[in-house]
Amino acid sequence: EAGVVQSPRYKIIEKKQPVAFWCNPISGHNTLYWYLQNLGQGPELLIRYENEEAVDDSQLPKDRFSAERLKGVDSTLKIQPAELGDSAVYLCASSPGLAGEREQFFGPGTRLTVL
Amino acid sequence: GQQLNQSPQSMFIQEGEDVSMNCTSSSIFNTWLWYKQDPGEGPVLLIALYKAGELTSNGRLTAQFGITRKDSFLNISASIPSDVGIYFCAGQLGRGSARQLTFGSGTQLTVLP
Repeated sequence: EAGVVQSPRYKIIEKKQPVAFWCNPISGHNTLYWYLQNLGQGPELLIRYENEEAVDDSQLPKDRFSAERLKGVDSTLKIQPAELGDSAVYLCASSPGLAGEREQFFGPGTRLTVL
Repeated sequence: GQQLNQSPQSMFIQEGEDVSMNCTSSSIFNTWLWYKQDPGEGPVLLIALYKAGELTSNGRLTAQFGITRKDSFLNISASIPSDVGIYFCAGQLGRGSARQLTFGSGTQLTVLP
């Protein structure tokens, strides 16, 4: 079974540029999460989707960050414009849904560097 | 918000030694999870604990859910080189918006040959 797929794996951009990250969750997983992981820290939740609905986006900085999961499968996280402090690893995770809510399977992440 | 204090921040041990790390919280959790993260990869679940007082093993790994529901520890016995990585504890309160995981800041483990 394929795991959570993320692309790109690495991205280097200049500040004020836009950037987008893509996530394909494990097939059949209804719940999708985007996390931010700063160097030396644990992941912090940005947004959680149940199917196509964003059910928890309280930690998402909505002035510059946006996310979508239009068909309840793949998801895109966007930053516009990027700032120096956005340099971090952006992790996507998925879980089966209510029945399997306890285990989240993580993708390899996208490492963003903002210059 | 909820805070998780994970210690130690880093450890250097000899191959074959046992290692212990722990997490404490300012508030209670209903689930404790332990993850391992290798460089360039996402965290991988090692052990999940669902009940206060629960002691669970997974091979050389043993973890316990503290009675107060505010702490957990992870032990690794007879360490081997592939144990190198960052270990994270994570707490989860319950359903709905409380389902989100709160992660500790990690323990960087180095195993010396």
